[in-house]
Amino acid sequence: GDSVTQMEGPVTLSEEAFLTINCTYTATGYPSLFWYVQYPGEGLQLLLKATKADDKGSNKGFEATYRKETTSFHLEKGSVQVSDSAVYFCALQGLVAGGTSYGKLTFGQGTILTVHP
Amino acid sequence: DTAVSQTPKYLVTQMGNDKSIKCEQNLGHDTMYWYKQDSKKFLKIMFSYNNKELIINETVPNRFSPKSPDKAHLNLHINSLELGDSAVYFCASSSTMTSGGYNEQFFGPGTRLTVL
Repeated sequence: GDSVTQMEGPVTLSEEAFLTINCTYTATGYPSLFWYVQYPGEGLQLLLKATKADDKGSNKGFEATYRKETTSFHLEKGSVQVSDSAVYFCALQGLVAGGTSYGKLTFGQGTILTVHP
Repeated sequence: DTAVSQTPKYLVTQMGNDKSIKCEQNLGHDTMYWYKQDSKKFLKIMFSYNNKELIINETVPNRFSPKSPDKAHLNLHINSLELGDSAVYFCASSSTMTSGGYNEQFFGPGTRLTVL
C-alpha cells in the first residue's frame, strides 16, 4: 500500500537558518504530493502541492520538487522565521483499486519544527 | 467566512458514553472526510463521503458511524466510547475535478476528544 516517510524530528533551528525536511514515498502510479502545516491548536493548512513529476510547488518561501526517480518531495526554505514553528506533514494522494484515489490522503508522521529568535 | 467548521472543539466524556461530532463546510465541495490524529500527531483517514455516498471506509470499529445528511454536512457518531478513542478528529472537504480526480483538501480546526 501507499506510504510516506518523513525525517524524524523534532527539528530546532535559529531564525534565518536554512530548512530541509525530507520526505520519501511509496505508491503505485503517479500520486499527487502535498505539504500541509499545522500551527499549534489549529487544523491543517495546505502549504504547497505538486501533481506530476518535476513539478515544483512553492508558497510563503517554501519549495518542494516532485522527484519521481528518487520518490521524494523534500521541503525547503532558505530563511526560516519564528512564525514558521509548526508541525509539517508530507502527504500523497494515490490510487486505489479501480484507478481512483477517492481523494484519500496518506500522511507521513509529521515533523515538529521549532525556530528560535 | 468560507470554511470547514466542527463542533464541539473539545469533548470530554466518560467511557461507555455515546457522542457525536458535527462538521459543516460552506465551500461548495462535494466530498467530505474524517481523519483521526493520535497523540503522536499521526493522521489516518477514517471515512469519506462523495455526494452523500460513502466511498472510503477504512478499518474502523463499527462503534464509529458517519452520516452525511447533505453534501455540506458530515457527522461522526461514536458509541460505547473507549479510552483508545481519545484523539483529535479532523473533518476535511474537497471537490472532484471534471477529470474524475480530487482537488486539495481543506481541513476543519479539529475536535479534541478525551475519554476518561
